[in-house]
Amino acid sequence: TQLLEQSPQFLSIQEGENLTVYCNSSSVFSSLQWYRQEPGEGPVLLVTVVTGGEVKKLKRLTFQFGDARKDSSLHITAAQPGDTGLYLCAGAGGSGAGSYQLTFGKGTKLSVIP
Amino acid sequence: ETGVTQSPTHLIKTRGQQVTLRCSSQSGHNTVSWYQQALGQGPQFIFQYYREEENGRGNFPPRFSGLQFPNYSSELNVNALELDDSALYLCASSGDIAYNEQFFGPGTRLTVL
Repeated sequence: TQLLEQSPQFLSIQEGENLTVYCNSSSVFSSLQWYRQEPGEGPVLLVTVVTGGEVKKLKRLTFQFGDARKDSSLHITAAQPGDTGLYLCAGAGGSGAGSYQLTFGKGTKLSVIP
Repeated sequence: ETGVTQSPTHLIKTRGQQVTLRCSSQSGHNTVSWYQQALGQGPQFIFQYYREEENGRGNFPPRFSGLQFPNYSSELNVNALELDDSALYLCASSGDIAYNEQFFGPGTRLTVL
């Protein structure tokens, strides 16, 4: 069974601070997605990383895929209250699961205090 | 471009009943996946449909079943509801199997009493 471990589970920071969320697995994934979810809503896709070592930037968000394609990180610079939400990583195409399934971590619940 | 839509938004059922949830995929997408998200958890894969055929299934019992229609919309049916079936049910559509980028609908909140 593939597992994605996210850490930390909860994070509460002041506006303007930086933070990093981690997503780790023992499995190799063909791609990895990061999503942000608001309470009672569906996850919204932020980014897809495909190549080992890949770095993608989305304004103040920086996403990195590990060289071995087993782990990823999300770094937020100068966090804003609008960044508050549940951040989910999801791996696709890992061994034994087929390319059709997304395996999600439990998520990191981020609160940015004004 | 129309996004993924789901209906109903909320639903309350009692144990033993049956429920049907509906999903319309994003324009141009031919693949629909269903996920169950319990409170405080990440989404769990139920199954995926590609061109009206089941393309993979997660660790869910047979009382969870689905359909995909020629217009790529989809239904999730759950029979003999149990209390643990209470969750947010998410539908996601994708058009690129290679990277499996999935775009989610707002979900249906199912409560089983």
